[in-house]
Amino acid sequence: QSVLTQTPSASGTPGQRVTISCSGSSSNIGINTVNWYQQLPGTAPKLLIFGNDERPSGVPDRFSGSKSGTSASLAISGLQSEDEADYYCAAWDDSLDAWVFGGGTKLTVL
Amino acid sequence: QVQLMQSGTEVKKPGSSVKVSCKSSGDSFTSYAIAWVRQAPGQGLEWMGGIIPIFHTANYAQKFQGRLTIAADGSTTTAFMELSSLRSDDTAVYYCARSHLRLGHYDTFTGLDYWGQGTLVTVSS
Repeated sequence: QSVLTQTPSASGTPGQRVTISCSGSSSNIGINTVNWYQQLPGTAPKLLIFGNDERPSGVPDRFSGSKSGTSASLAISGLQSEDEADYYCAAWDDSLDAWVFGGGTKLTVL
Repeated sequence: QVQLMQSGTEVKKPGSSVKVSCKSSGDSFTSYAIAWVRQAPGQGLEWMGGIIPIFHTANYAQKFQGRLTIAADGSTTTAFMELSSLRSDDTAVYYCARSHLRLGHYDTFTGLDYWGQGTLVTVSS
């Protein structure tokens, strides 16, 4: 049972825009920033979004993040086949004094 | 170029211990923290704990208290994770990842920006 809640799956066709949501609480997302990680099959996670809505160098601007209250979202526009991956949200939890992750959302590009 | 290079695959018996290493290169080892995250087969990511090498301070997720030890050797820029009393449900890929520091703690804004390639640990009798 993950501390952050994500819908297990999402899908879209090439070119579409998809949104992945992440729900937390006042001890994590409510007071700390959200990061998003992309995990391609068989590889290590990669930082996709930090600080709620910032992209590391090299991440396409098709990927965007947002946060409101105790929830966050990752949007992917202009969906491409190479975006098929698992996506995880994460935040620091002040009560647990630990990083907490969502259970992951498996994105399928139809 | 920052790289975190982990040690290789391990197969262990239940009740034994495993030690995984994570060698950092390409940047100042003592300017960052190293976190350990594991992923059981077909499952999500789970933070285990981490260490701030410059302070030699480690903290652990409550779930692993008492059987997890995280250490760092600044002279070899290597972090270590040792998990004892292994059980079959400890079978997972174990990752190390880098965190920036802010005011002597993990920088929660910047997240875990570089990851090792992962080490598969299989626990089986």
